[in-house]
Amino acid sequence: ETGVTQSPTHLIKTRGQQVTLRCSSQSGHNTVSWYQQALGQGPQFIFQYYREEENGRGNFPPRFSGLQFPNYSSELNVNALELDDSALYLCASSLEGGTQETQYFGPGTRLLVL
Amino acid sequence: QQQVKQSPQSLIVQKGGISIINCAYENTAFDYFPWYQQFPGKGPALLIAIRPDVSEKKEGRFTISFNKSAKQFSLHIMDSQPGDSATYFCAAGSSNTGKLIFGQGTTLQVKP
Repeated sequence: ETGVTQSPTHLIKTRGQQVTLRCSSQSGHNTVSWYQQALGQGPQFIFQYYREEENGRGNFPPRFSGLQFPNYSSELNVNALELDDSALYLCASSLEGGTQETQYFGPGTRLLVL
Repeated sequence: QQQVKQSPQSLIVQKGGISIINCAYENTAFDYFPWYQQFPGKGPALLIAIRPDVSEKKEGRFTISFNKSAKQFSLHIMDSQPGDSATYFCAAGSSNTGKLIFGQGTTLQVKP
């Protein structure tokens, strides 16, 4: 059984650019949640995808968007990058939507926006 | 109403001591309360979780105490070890949404 994997591990972008982050969920999991973790803060929920549909969204602007594929892997896209988007982006997979199932986190992608 | 407040921000404990971290929430719709441990450069890993139908849950050296009327819950780490040195996050979620609300985190240092 493989755990949650994310790519890339680190990324440097400039303000105004666009970025795509990728997540492969744990084997057998059909739900992926994305979180943003600023330095020294707790993770903040961006959105969740369950069986390829968005299943809840946090307080993030529309320039944060996502996709989930038939194999349940997922992408997080951020357009028009701002300096404040610099953070660790975490994805977490779980067996089903909602929080009744444990969310297993990947190692994250560290994004730096200059 | 969506906040989860965690304290203390940092904690230093001697090896063998008890580490206690507290969290408080406001939203009574929350029905799932996990604790996560995070080491530098790693994603958070689930330690232990509780639902509001029980007041205490113990797994090895880790215990969650839950006070539904006070809307508070806490993590106790018994016999703390240097390997427990990490950042700990409490979180809260509700079964009808997909999101977890995290506290600000507590950095624990266990001195040998």
